Parts: sequence; structure tokens; C-alpha cells
Amino acid sequence: DVKVTQSSRYLVKRTGEKVFLECVQDMDHENMFWYRQDPGLGLRLIYFSYDVKMKEKGDIPEGYSVSREKKERFSLILESASTNQTSMYLCASSLQVRSSLAKNIQYFGAGTRLSVL
Amino acid sequence: SQQGEEDPQALSIQEGENATMNCSYKTSINNLQWYRQNSGRGLVHLILIRSNEREKHSGRLRVTLDTSKKSSSLLITASRAADTASYFCATDFTGNQFYFGTGTSLTVIP
Repeated sequence: DVKVTQSSRYLVKRTGEKVFLECVQDMDHENMFWYRQDPGLGLRLIYFSYDVKMKEKGDIPEGYSVSREKKERFSLILESASTNQTSMYLCASSLQVRSSLAKNIQYFGAGTRLSVL
Repeated sequence: SQQGEEDPQALSIQEGENATMNCSYKTSINNLQWYRQNSGRGLVHLILIRSNEREKHSGRLRVTLDTSKKSSSLLITASRAADTASYFCATDFTGNQFYFGTGTSLTVIP
């Protein structure tokens, strides 16, 4: 079974702190994603990565950065945490497909609930 | 945004009843998927339907897709209390990037 592990289930930080959310997958997936989930807004893509050292902005990248130094690990960084970044953060991974007709699914971690005070 | 929307936002039914939730999306797609999320957990993939398919079954799940209306529905038959969760549709047109809907919260009352 694919396993996607997020380092923390719950995190409490103070405004202005630098925050690191870590995600590790064990299935040699090329693609990795970071989403945030807020009530009524569903999942919104922050950043994704198709390869080591490669990153692409999603829909809401402002205030975030990412790092992918190794294939299995994708980190989300909040450079200076703010209260409006209080949210549930979900990491996911998937295979990389070459055809838009290929079937592909995403595997999710359990999530990190971040509170910024 | 290419995000889809589920309808209704919340649904409460008695155990044994059927639950139907709908998803509308905005752009042409290759696949549409449904995911389930138990409270406070990550999402788990349930079923995938290709754009050239109209209906798909998996156990108690039935998914339909109408590409002309850009909509899909998920039917859970003979619901159980353990089906209580949030359900999300996800669309893709590249095979690699997904757009998730806003979710339907289903409560099945024992």
C-alpha cells in the first residue's frame, strides 16, 4: 500500500514564525502536492512538484514556498506564519503519467492541522 | 478557478437509505474521480470514471457522468453509519493535476 506520511497531525505556531510541514511518500511517485482545506472552500492547491528540485505554483501560492530535494520528500514552508494560514494542510502523491488519457489517482497523507496564534 | 462544486453541501439520511450527491465542473475533462474523507483525515480514492464512460459501479457505489452537462453523480446504496464522511469529486484534464470540488458532508443516522 502507498503510504504518505505527514510529520505532524497538529501544530500550533505563533504569528511571524517560520513553519515547516514535511511530507514523505514511499511509493517512488514522481508527483507530489500540497493542498490546504478550509470549510466551504474544499481543497485548494498550493504547490505541486513533478520532479526533484522542480516546483509549480498552484492556485494559492502566496505566503508559501516548497522544497523537494529528494524524490520521496516534499516540504511546505510558511516563511512568516500569519493567522489566515490557520488551516488543514494535506499532502498527496501520484504517479506521473505521460498521456492525458491515462488513469491516475492521488494518495493522501492524514493531514496537518495548523493553528497560527 | 477550475474547481468543481458538489451539491448538496450537507446530506443527512437514515441507515439503509440511498445517498446521492452531485458534482459540477467547468472545463473539459479526461477523468472524474470521487474521494472520501473521514473527519480529520486525508482523502481516499473511491472510483474513477473516464470521460467516454457514462456509468460505473463499484460495490455499493454507482457513478454517472454527463459530459454535455459537465456533471457527475455519486450514489451510495443501502447506506451504513460507517459511510458518514465527506465526499469530493476531482477532475483532471492532464492526468497529473487534479481539481477538487468543495465536498458533500454525508451523515448516516443509525
